[in-house]
Amino acid sequence: DSGVTQTPKHLITATGQRVTLRCSPRSGDLSVYWYQQSLDQGLQFLIQYYNGEERAKGNILERFSAQQFPDLHSELNLSSLELGDSALYFCASSPGTAYGYTFGSGTRLTVV
Amino acid sequence: GQQLNQSPQSMFIQEGEDVSMNCTSSSIFNTWLWYKQDPGEGPVLLIALYKAGELTSNGRLTAQFGITRKDSFLNISASIPSDVGIYFCAGHVETSGSRLTFGEGTQLTVNP
Repeated sequence: DSGVTQTPKHLITATGQRVTLRCSPRSGDLSVYWYQQSLDQGLQFLIQYYNGEERAKGNILERFSAQQFPDLHSELNLSSLELGDSALYFCASSPGTAYGYTFGSGTRLTVV
Repeated sequence: GQQLNQSPQSMFIQEGEDVSMNCTSSSIFNTWLWYKQDPGEGPVLLIALYKAGELTSNGRLTAQFGITRKDSFLNISASIPSDVGIYFCAGHVETSGSRLTFGEGTQLTVNP
């Protein structure tokens, strides 16, 4: 157990739908990162939050949004889902630096 | 944007053999990290390298930060079945905040 909790572990949904992925960071970590891992690809950075504020944005689609709540958990919202959005979505947390990344086990999203 | 080219894409070896994989980039990185991902899990940090030329070991794993700061390699000695998994390199530059750029991974299979 890495200490980073992601729910749900698996999600199957239809095109056009909206889903919410949830992440609870390790105790004491203020930064939360979201990464997308598509088949046969490395991890692509989506977005980072630090202590409730958006800190950095990657190639995140406009249909995707995220937020970090006062208790530091984070949610990634994916809307108007397309088949190509099927992927593993990982959340990671760190105290605030790049070197202390701890990843959760991921949410496998399948869009049918 | 920054890209990491990781090779080989996959490796099939016999237990006891040594393994070498590397990552190259056209951009300079300030930090190189190596992660391992087991099936159904998130990546786990193996080794972090902070200075050009640095050589760091973690048990049977050895990694080096290239002198040009544009490459890194990971060696695994005397492989065992539990070394099976996907190995990712990741690079960090200060100008990118806390985000990491990941390679596409090396899938390692170890035959007993």
